[in-house]
Amino acid sequence: SQQGEEDPQALSIQEGENATMNCSYKTSINNLQWYRQNSGRGLVHLILIRSNEREKHSGRLRVTLDTSKKSSSLLITASRAADTASYFCATDAKGGSEKLVFGKGTKLTVNP
Amino acid sequence: NAGVTQTPKFRVLKTGQSMTLLCAQDMNHEYMYWYRQDPGMGLRLIHYSVGEGTTAKGEVPDGYNVSRLKKQNFLLGLESAAPSQTSVYFCASTPHQRGGEQYFGPGTRLTVT
Repeated sequence: SQQGEEDPQALSIQEGENATMNCSYKTSINNLQWYRQNSGRGLVHLILIRSNEREKHSGRLRVTLDTSKKSSSLLITASRAADTASYFCATDAKGGSEKLVFGKGTKLTVNP
Repeated sequence: NAGVTQTPKFRVLKTGQSMTLLCAQDMNHEYMYWYRQDPGMGLRLIHYSVGEGTTAKGEVPDGYNVSRLKKQNFLLGLESAAPSQTSVYFCASTPHQRGGEQYFGPGTRLTVT
């Protein structure tokens, strides 16, 4: 069963705008990760945030985690056409086995 | 380093045929995973391995078998392919660190007619 659920399912913005994607999950976690998938390619890891962290930055990416609401958000600032991709959150559940559970993804389109 | 590679990239099978998908990684990672990705379903875990000689079932293991005879290779077998197994299959690996970053292969697109 899916642990993480991304919202929205699809997002279309103009180049230069910010893009925000959200992820909600059901059980307590050790960490939450965000991945990116370009069309026809494998997933690429973007950022990992641990359950005791509230915010993390990497370049134009900003991830927040609210464990009380069981939710995370991924913000991409000053988006570029090359950011067009699907974005997935994945959770490592506390007490779970050695695997991540992925959400269904948000498809981001950045129009030039 | 090549990272995670998958063979073949594309394959078309007839119902009932068998095949093996090969995943290889050159990063000396302990953990390896097989996922399938279907439209609107995200990634679903088929089987995984936490080390050479070990395998475990994931979320959707039925109709698949796996083997991890060598640390660098993880094989996914379909004994009798069914149209429901039409999908894109991804392999991933991670170092000996549960819940850590996963490195993905480029995928195998399988069609079963």
